[in-house]
Amino acid sequence: EPEVTQTPSHQVTQMGQEVILRCVPISNHLYFYWYRQILGQKVEFLVSFYNNEISEKSEIFDDQFSVERPDGSNFTLKIRSTKLEDSAMYFCASREYNEQFFGPGTRLTVL
Amino acid sequence: GENVEQHPSTLSVQEGDSAVIKCTYSDSASNYFPWYKQELGKRPQLIIDIRSNVGEKKDQRIAVTLNKTAKHFSLHITETQPEDSAVYFCAAPLGAQKLVFGQGTRLTINP
Repeated sequence: EPEVTQTPSHQVTQMGQEVILRCVPISNHLYFYWYRQILGQKVEFLVSFYNNEISEKSEIFDDQFSVERPDGSNFTLKIRSTKLEDSAMYFCASREYNEQFFGPGTRLTVL
Repeated sequence: GENVEQHPSTLSVQEGDSAVIKCTYSDSASNYFPWYKQELGKRPQLIIDIRSNVGEKKDQRIAVTLNKTAKHFSLHITETQPEDSAVYFCAAPLGAQKLVFGQGTRLTINP
């Protein structure tokens, strides 16, 4: 069964550094998402992407964040200058119809 | 925007008993209601979902009920087993895009 994949599984970075989180959505899906989950809290929407552009973004998704679909398979989330409060699990998701399929997540730790 | 409230935040039941988790939502336009199970350090996994044109859906020991008038939906797990222990999240879509998640319920099944 096809799955959403994400790399790396764990990223440790220094405050102020740039990080890129990578996702490979399921191949025939057209809608892509990034969510984050701070430890012990609920899953929060960051951004949705369709037809090669952002369709919606949350208040969390400020100028430090960007997304890109650089080729036909990858979907990336970039954080330009990481802050301590960016430490969280970041999940990519994709969908064709209603159901959103989540990737395994990238645990980002900002020191 | 959509607001999803989930109760209880923690639930402990004896193995073999039933567990019920409830959610309310605010956007009357929402028409799809998934439930996700998340084990520690893992991705949210869809366990059951319901569309607004039905009032109940069942899949073996798991069922979801929906009351559109009252804007609430519930997850029912019968004959609980230790492997049901996890955090459960309800969600509702906002518009055609993002999922808004409830706060989560930590379910513990006591042997």
